[in-house]
Amino acid sequence: GAGVSQSPSNKVTEKGKDVELRCDPISGHTALYWYRQSLGQGLEFLIYFQGNSAPDKSGLPSDRFSAERTGGSVSTLTIQRTQQEDSAVYLCASSPRRAEETQYFGPGTRLLVL
Amino acid sequence: QKEVEQDPGPLSVPEGAIVSLNCTYSNSAFQYFMWYRQYSRKGPELLMYTYSSGNKEDGRFTAQVDKSSKYISLFIRDSQPSDSATYLCASGTGFQKLVFGTGTRLLVSP
Repeated sequence: GAGVSQSPSNKVTEKGKDVELRCDPISGHTALYWYRQSLGQGLEFLIYFQGNSAPDKSGLPSDRFSAERTGGSVSTLTIQRTQQEDSAVYLCASSPRRAEETQYFGPGTRLLVL
Repeated sequence: QKEVEQDPGPLSVPEGAIVSLNCTYSNSAFQYFMWYRQYSRKGPELLMYTYSSGNKEDGRFTAQVDKSSKYISLFIRDSQPSDSATYLCASGTGFQKLVFGTGTRLLVSP
């Protein structure tokens, strides 16, 4: 169908609460990425899933961040005990195995931690 | 020092101008060089990518990489108001863990 979708589009939460961000990649895409985009910081790589391989979690900033991908499709990024510095746009992208250079991005989830 | 540096702008030009957007990178192992365009409140979209040094042209867009100076450029000819967006450069040793610049905001006025 359409492109990468993410939900919610906006999320306001209180410091200390947990949040879950969802990503629906393009059907058939084997690779899925999560990024964080903060003002003045550019895109920051968080985690990468490729097929059934173990994910590359090297970009996760702390153990409060985790992500999973169920059935090789939908992915959820969870932030526990949110802090104000977690406020950012969280972007998901997917790419097909035969064209890994092209990452298709979703519109992002704007997270604001009060 | 960030591995990929990019002037945040904004860069304002009149319609029809040639635009030059630039980045520098510090990791000599980087072989992949990408340019993304991001409209407000949207995700980035890939414009072009090059492998190693050289030029690549696609319509009004030309990407250029100079590995000797670690300099990445994107040229836009005959710029249009619809080109107004933030342009992100990215580099890496592979596609999986790209390092992005902060983005340059471009404004093309009619």
